[in-house]
Amino acid sequence: NAGVTQTPKFQVLKTGQSMTLQCAQDMNHNSMYWYRQDPGMGLRLIYYSASEGTTDKGEVPNGYNVSRLNKREFSLRLESAAPSQTSVYFCASRLQGAGRDTQYFGPGTRLTVL
Amino acid sequence: AQKITQTQPGMFVQEKEAVTLDCTYDTSDPSYGLFWYKQPSSGEMIFLIYQGSYDQQNATEGRYSLNFQKARKSANLVISASQLGDSAMYFCAMREISGNTPLVFGKGTRLSVIA
Repeated sequence: NAGVTQTPKFQVLKTGQSMTLQCAQDMNHNSMYWYRQDPGMGLRLIYYSASEGTTDKGEVPNGYNVSRLNKREFSLRLESAAPSQTSVYFCASRLQGAGRDTQYFGPGTRLTVL
Repeated sequence: AQKITQTQPGMFVQEKEAVTLDCTYDTSDPSYGLFWYKQPSSGEMIFLIYQGSYDQQNATEGRYSLNFQKARKSANLVISASQLGDSAMYFCAMREISGNTPLVFGKGTRLSVIA
């Protein structure tokens, strides 16, 4: 059981380049999330998808787009990378029901934009 | 809007001692969930404990317990018998259940366990 997987683990981009961060979960969860983590800022929500076919903006959506390709996969795209997007990106999925509520995180992608 | 506050940027504790990490929250939703996560230096986010706003008893998971004081809007994490491996960042988070909102995180507390 792989849980939440993310690719790549590390990436270096030049300003203006584009890339897509991939995320997949094999736990049949409905909700998936993308966060970024910057020093001293905790985790901030970029976008989320409450169910297949829906996406919503979080706290810091500017400069990003997302696609909920199917129930398993939720990708994050940077169309024109900027140095301010240097961060660690976490994908997560949510288990809810029977009095439980747990959000599982992937291992993270460390992105540097030069 | 929901808000989480962790006022302790860093904490030190002696090995085998207990430590309390503070967390206060603000919400107008009567139905919410409170969470604690651990982030070791390796970077992964590890779920520790969950408390629902209607739960009558404080949540416990092994050496972790959540001191839930609803009237004070606090959800402090208590780690008993600290171990060197407990050294990490700890994040408090909250979700409003009624609005099915995403988790909102505090800025974290760095715990260092001293031998």
